[in-house]
Amino acid sequence: DQQVKQNSPSLSVQEGRISILNCDYTNSMFDYFLWYKKYPAEGPTFLISISSIKDKNEDGRFTVFLNKSAKHLSLHIVPSQPGDSAVYFCAAIKWGGGSNYKLTFGKGTLLTVNP
Amino acid sequence: DAGVTQSPTHLIKTRGQQVTLRCSPKSGHDTVSWYQQALGQGPQFIFQYYEEEERQRGNFPDRFSGHQFPNYSSELNVNALLLGDSALYLCASSLGGFRNQPQHFGDGTRLSIL
Repeated sequence: DQQVKQNSPSLSVQEGRISILNCDYTNSMFDYFLWYKKYPAEGPTFLISISSIKDKNEDGRFTVFLNKSAKHLSLHIVPSQPGDSAVYFCAAIKWGGGSNYKLTFGKGTLLTVNP
Repeated sequence: DAGVTQSPTHLIKTRGQQVTLRCSPKSGHDTVSWYQQALGQGPQFIFQYYEEEERQRGNFPDRFSGHQFPNYSSELNVNALLLGDSALYLCASSLGGFRNQPQHFGDGTRLSIL
């Protein structure tokens, strides 16, 4: 059962325009969400996160929006740059306290930013 | 400051063999998690080690086992390899207990089973 879903396998945008990557989740117990970026032959790199008590978090060109009622989050990249071309993974955490947590990932969306 | 390092980078094995993958966490981190990423999929959680004990485990068979050493480094062992074990194995480290400090990933070990 895929608890975190990224329904768009790929997205192509022009340089300078906005990129919007979407993610849906089914487990209402998730309370923290992250986006990772992955280049070929490299491990995922943390990009931005959001707690379930917020609806927006911004970091430079990257903004994540969370709609808890719809169980939906999105990552906005403005303006998009060719170096942003990578696979973007949405991930979620169900925090149970203590000293550990695991990430539940979506399948990823390949973003291509064309010059 | 070295990030998460994994070895080897690539590995080729045959069915039925055993394999050991290694991970050194980012400096200052004490928790190591292992993930399996099959082609076209997102990483799937295998297990996590903290204070040299397995703290959480994903839906993987007992053929997958691990260990954490006093210096926080970790090993992932897979016995009786199957063709379906072919994947990228990712190690991630973090500072235990702080979910707002995200897990940092290594570049992975590409395991191919013939």
